Amino acid sequence: EAQVTQNPRYLITVTGKKLTVTCSQNMNHEYMSWYRQDPGLGLRQIYYSMNVEVTDKGDVPEGYKVSRKEKRNFPLILESPSPNQTSLYFCASSALAGGPSWYFGPGTRLTVL
Amino acid sequence: KQEVTQIPAALSVPEGENLVLNCSFTDSAIYNLQWFRQDPGKGLTSLLLIQSSQREQTSGRLNASLDKSSGRSTLYIAASQPGDSATYLCAVNSGTYKYIFGTGTRLKVLA
Repeated sequence: EAQVTQNPRYLITVTGKKLTVTCSQNMNHEYMSWYRQDPGLGLRQIYYSMNVEVTDKGDVPEGYKVSRKEKRNFPLILESPSPNQTSLYFCASSALAGGPSWYFGPGTRLTVL
Repeated sequence: KQEVTQIPAALSVPEGENLVLNCSFTDSAIYNLQWFRQDPGKGLTSLLLIQSSQREQTSGRLNASLDKSSGRSTLYIAASQPGDSATYLCAVNSGTYKYIFGTGTRLKVLA
């Protein structure tokens, strides 16, 4: 089954404690992206990757890091989380940046106290 | 800077009604536009993708239209069902490696 998986699904942590949210896809997609979703603001892109070792900033990259060492994995790293990073995070993948088929992970709800 | 707006933010209709969801964008130079569905606790599901050269796309009871010159897209849902209840998001790709999302329309179809 074609899918994007994210772990963990829910996470409560404290300010400053480094964390990683994993994202993996099994469709051999080149393009992957991370979004955060906040009430009233919609989904905003954090980082994207066009292929292995190729990443670039989206609209809200501050406080986040990513890496793409393998095609299937695109982890999101918060080195020093702060309360304003409390959000719902989605990973997405596609064969092409412009579609046609985008696949989204189920989301990770992060709370930073 | 591209901005995407969806109105209304929420909509409640009785079962069986035909309905239209609206999406507007400020920059008409788009590569394509997608409509997504989001269910609570789940990720987004792609419904329809319209390329910039197309005027509409259809899938089952769903029809999406695109008018680039006026910066608008509509999602038409025929004969709505309670199972259609979800948040519907439109997203615009301006040819860069990212989509700009609207804030969504939360639809509730009453049985």
